[in-house]
Amino acid sequence: AQSVAQPEDQVNVAEGNPLTVKCTYSVSGNPYLFWYVQYPNRGLQFLLKYITGDNLVKGSYGFEAEFNKSQTSFHLKKPSALVSDSALYFCAVSDSGNPPLVFGKGTRLSVIA
Amino acid sequence: GAVVSQHPSRVICKSGTSVKIECRSLDFQATTMFWYRQFPKQSLMLMATSNEGSKATYEQGVEKDKFLINHASLTLSTLTVTSAHPEDSSFYICSARDVYQETQYFGPGTRLLVL
Repeated sequence: AQSVAQPEDQVNVAEGNPLTVKCTYSVSGNPYLFWYVQYPNRGLQFLLKYITGDNLVKGSYGFEAEFNKSQTSFHLKKPSALVSDSALYFCAVSDSGNPPLVFGKGTRLSVIA
Repeated sequence: GAVVSQHPSRVICKSGTSVKIECRSLDFQATTMFWYRQFPKQSLMLMATSNEGSKATYEQGVEKDKFLINHASLTLSTLTVTSAHPEDSSFYICSARDVYQETQYFGPGTRLLVL
């Protein structure tokens, strides 16, 4: 069965600095990887996905993620953090695109002005 | 991206009553929809998978007679919490799968409070 690990409960970063939110996964078939963001009392918003192709995936709001097969990682990155990026971020994986998605426990990002 | 709506966004009800939550995919057809429950400061817990025109598949530990799911069309799934009790209070989130995008999109969630 597939699984996702987000090793950090909380990430703090100063506004304007680069940010990284870590994610590692385990899946028996081909990994379909996703990042979602959740603002307070809201559902999840889709940020980006990796299915195939270039390892560096660009998504919404200036976020990007790099698929690393050897390290089974899919870290989320942004070159310059904004205060408005403060939210809860979820990494998710499905095995070869077959639902359902399996989610990590989430990482709370706090960007400080 | 694709849009999934959910209604109501917030509901308060008395213990013993039933509550229906609607989930709609607005600009795509979803043969598969999902219902999740989220407790404070925790990740999403998958409750059930609903496929259009067939019975829902429930995760282990989720009572199918308590959480009734209907997926009558390609754009609508409903979750009915029957005889709700205070322990059912939670944040319920639906998700619809866009087959062509191979992506799940999520509704804004429904905050249920049972008094």
